[in-house]
Amino acid sequence: QKEVEQDPGPLSVPEGAIVSLNCTYSNSAFQYFMWYRQYSRKGPELLMYTYSSGNKEDGRFTAQVDKSSKYISLFIRDSQPSDSATYLCAILIQGAQKLVFGQGTRLTINP
Amino acid sequence: NAGVTQTPKFQVLKTGQSMTLQCAQDMNHEYMSWYRQDPGMGLRLIHYSVGAGITDQGEVPNGYNVSRSTTEDFPLRLLSAAPSQTSVYFCASSYSLWRTEEQYFGPGTRLTVT
Repeated sequence: QKEVEQDPGPLSVPEGAIVSLNCTYSNSAFQYFMWYRQYSRKGPELLMYTYSSGNKEDGRFTAQVDKSSKYISLFIRDSQPSDSATYLCAILIQGAQKLVFGQGTRLTINP
Repeated sequence: NAGVTQTPKFQVLKTGQSMTLQCAQDMNHEYMSWYRQDPGMGLRLIHYSVGAGITDQGEVPNGYNVSRSTTEDFPLRLLSAAPSQTSVYFCASSYSLWRTEEQYFGPGTRLTVT
């Protein structure tokens, strides 16, 4: 079983839609939960991270963690064509060298 | 700040050739790492360093060597390239091992081994 599972998509939605991206993980020792955005042929860019269950908002983006279900989500409100990218979840045990990534979900926002 | 820089952007190698992928950061970060990204596999950790003179293996270290003589630079060496090493390679850095939730990635090197 993979430590982190992420639906690779692709996911295509119209501009303005609410997007939900999800990952599940298997190890309850994981402490930090990150979302990266990766534009085509670019390096991953950290969007946001959280370490507690619940929601964390940053503009149009909301990261949600449910540690009891081992489930993390990223919601994008009022999606824009510029949000078209691959989104990767990543999880971490603090102090451990290994940042574990999901496969990434390719998202396209259609004007 | 330039952030994390990587050279070259693209490289084609023949099987058995060796080469070095360069990575540099100007943020005075202690922690640096190398990942490879393959379709359907996400990013996998190759090697990492928690400071100058200190390196360790990640998840997929075979066929790669690293060294860290300065805080700024962390080159990745392919000893004898194989087609299985065809991938996109990313270097990343963070303030310390205890801040790896805030990693900054370089633009990547696309490597093809024929």
